[in-house]
Amino acid sequence: DTEVTQTPKHLVMGMTNKKSLKCEQHMGHRAMYWYKQKAKKPPELMFVYSYEKLSINESVPSRFSPECPNSSLLNLHLHALQPEDSALYLCASSQDQAVGETQYFGPGTRLLVL
Amino acid sequence: EDQVTQSPEALRLQEGESSSLNCSYTVSGLRGLFWYRQDPGKGPEFLFTLYSAGEEKEKERLKATLTKKESFLHITAPKPEDSATYLCAVQAGTGGFKTIFGAGTRLFVKA
Repeated sequence: DTEVTQTPKHLVMGMTNKKSLKCEQHMGHRAMYWYKQKAKKPPELMFVYSYEKLSINESVPSRFSPECPNSSLLNLHLHALQPEDSALYLCASSQDQAVGETQYFGPGTRLLVL
Repeated sequence: EDQVTQSPEALRLQEGESSSLNCSYTVSGLRGLFWYRQDPGKGPEFLFTLYSAGEEKEKERLKATLTKKESFLHITAPKPEDSATYLCAVQAGTGGFKTIFGAGTRLFVKA
């Protein structure tokens, strides 16, 4: 089973709202990722967690706050977003953070910021 | 600078018309090359991982090959349900952990 689940599937929020995206995997993977994808563009890496610790932050604005409560769960907390943050947010996981490990993606959360 | 280039940007085929998608890369110390399929509004679906030149992998109508400079995704007798964007990504030793994605090839297969 190579399933990564994400909730919600769609989210509409105002610029003053606080919301969270959730990602879950039960493959025993120890690395989890958040990507942002704009229409007709490839995914852009935002954060990497390895063994529940943040290992990479690709200079993402502080209005995005990741959290890894345990080895199966990954959250992305959103606050005071801008309309340009509207995108497909993808979660992925891999066995660990070793180079060459295959990343498996979830279905994504389509976010619209009004 | 590590770079991944996919061509063509878009490809229109008739059902049954075989073709190939290209992914060329310039990286130091390739550690893995990945092919994904992505449907509109969905997450990328993993297809193949290739690690060394000469390696080939197959799945149904798809076959991925790897040389020292590029990878090909061959599609044999495609069907309309093969229509999607195909993404190529690489990981290289000098790039740390970052996965570098190509811009993708949008494939349209007409019945």
